[in-house]
Amino acid sequence: SQTIHQWPATLVQPVGSPLSLECTVEGTSNPNLYWYRQAAGRGLQLLFYSVGIGQISSEVPQNLSASRPQDRQFILSSKKLLLSDSGFYLCAWSVERVNYNEQFFGPGTRLTVL
Amino acid sequence: GENVEQHPSTLSVQEGDSAVIKCTYSDSASNYFPWYKQELGKRPQLIIDIRSNVGEKKDQRIAVTLNKTAKHFSLHITETQPEDSAVYFCAARAWVAQKLVFGQGTRLTINP
Repeated sequence: SQTIHQWPATLVQPVGSPLSLECTVEGTSNPNLYWYRQAAGRGLQLLFYSVGIGQISSEVPQNLSASRPQDRQFILSSKKLLLSDSGFYLCAWSVERVNYNEQFFGPGTRLTVL
Repeated sequence: GENVEQHPSTLSVQEGDSAVIKCTYSDSASNYFPWYKQELGKRPQLIIDIRSNVGEKKDQRIAVTLNKTAKHFSLHITETQPEDSAVYFCAARAWVAQKLVFGQGTRLTINP
């Protein structure tokens, strides 16, 4: 069966510090991968998605970046964090079949920028 | 691109009553419509989905209906229980789009 991992689970970082969040998927190959951010009490904001190694689509211009160095690894980074980067970061992967696109979320990373 | 509107933003019902959450979408090419439940502090969990070749799907106390002509779909929860309290998100996707577009979410509260 497929599983998705994210780490760390929680993170407290000062403003201006760098960030690296990692997501890995097991039990599937060539998944679509996604990074979402959820501010407290708010909806799901799609940040980046990837349909293959080295292929990244950015949804929202910001100080974050994403990379996909391996088929089942997706990394979210920032060189300098802002207060507004605080939130719940969710990685997700999806099954890619015609008319059948179930998407599953990882456990998330709760980031607090102080 | 696709736009998904979800209503209501908050919903409070008595335990045992039914709850209905509605979503509309704009892209007629969308053919996959999932619903997610997110409990406080947890990840969203897929609870039911429907594809455009069917009009209704049921799974125990939850059901989803789809009206392709009107471009709207709804989540129905019957015999609500306290554990149904959560935020519910609808979403829509056209297969070629490679991504889901989510509604804004509905906070459902079940009152004992």
